[in-house]
Amino acid sequence: DTEVTQTPKHLVMGMTNKKSLKCEQHMGHRAMYWYKQKAKKPPELMFVYSYEKLSINESVPSRFSPECPNSSLLNLHLHALQPEDSALYLCASSRLGTGLGYEQYFGPGTRLTVT
Amino acid sequence: KQEVTQIPAALSVPEGENLVLNCSFTDSAIYNLQWFRQDPGKGLTSLLLIQSSQREQTSGRLNASLDKSSGRSTLYIAASQPGDSATYLCAVRPGNQFYFGTGTSLTVIP
Repeated sequence: DTEVTQTPKHLVMGMTNKKSLKCEQHMGHRAMYWYKQKAKKPPELMFVYSYEKLSINESVPSRFSPECPNSSLLNLHLHALQPEDSALYLCASSRLGTGLGYEQYFGPGTRLTVT
Repeated sequence: KQEVTQIPAALSVPEGENLVLNCSFTDSAIYNLQWFRQDPGKGLTSLLLIQSSQREQTSGRLNASLDKSSGRSTLYIAASQPGDSATYLCAVRPGNQFYFGTGTSLTVIP
């Protein structure tokens, strides 16, 4: 199974709401990633978790709060977002380490609209 | 920081044509390079992974090459089909993160 699942597929939220995005993989990958992608742009890395610990935070505003409760799950908690945060949020996973062949697998994404 | 550029940004070709997409990166210290396809509003689908020690990889009508020393990769698509229309992204991996290129939007005209 090489699938990464994300829920929900679509999310509309107001600027005062709190919501969460969920990502799951069962490939035994110990690295998980959140990306943000705006229209016609490449994905921008937000966070990297390695062995369930946050290893990279690309200076993301605190209104985005990641969580990795176990090796298969990755959450992104959203609070007090701005309309410019509207984007496609992609989750990915990969094996860890510097070994060869460690490709990244992506989920289908959550389309987020902030009103 | 690694900079990854893809040329051209957009490409329109008639069906059946062979085509080449280019990816260049500034730092040759990478572990691998991965080519993806993305349909509008969808996630990324992995097409090919080239390890740093490899020169090329093939999958069906796709062939990707890597010249690490010059910081270049190409994706060759043979006998293009309308279903190949999508955005193609390359990504390089210098560590435990991936740097994406700017993408090439491909349209194959029936």
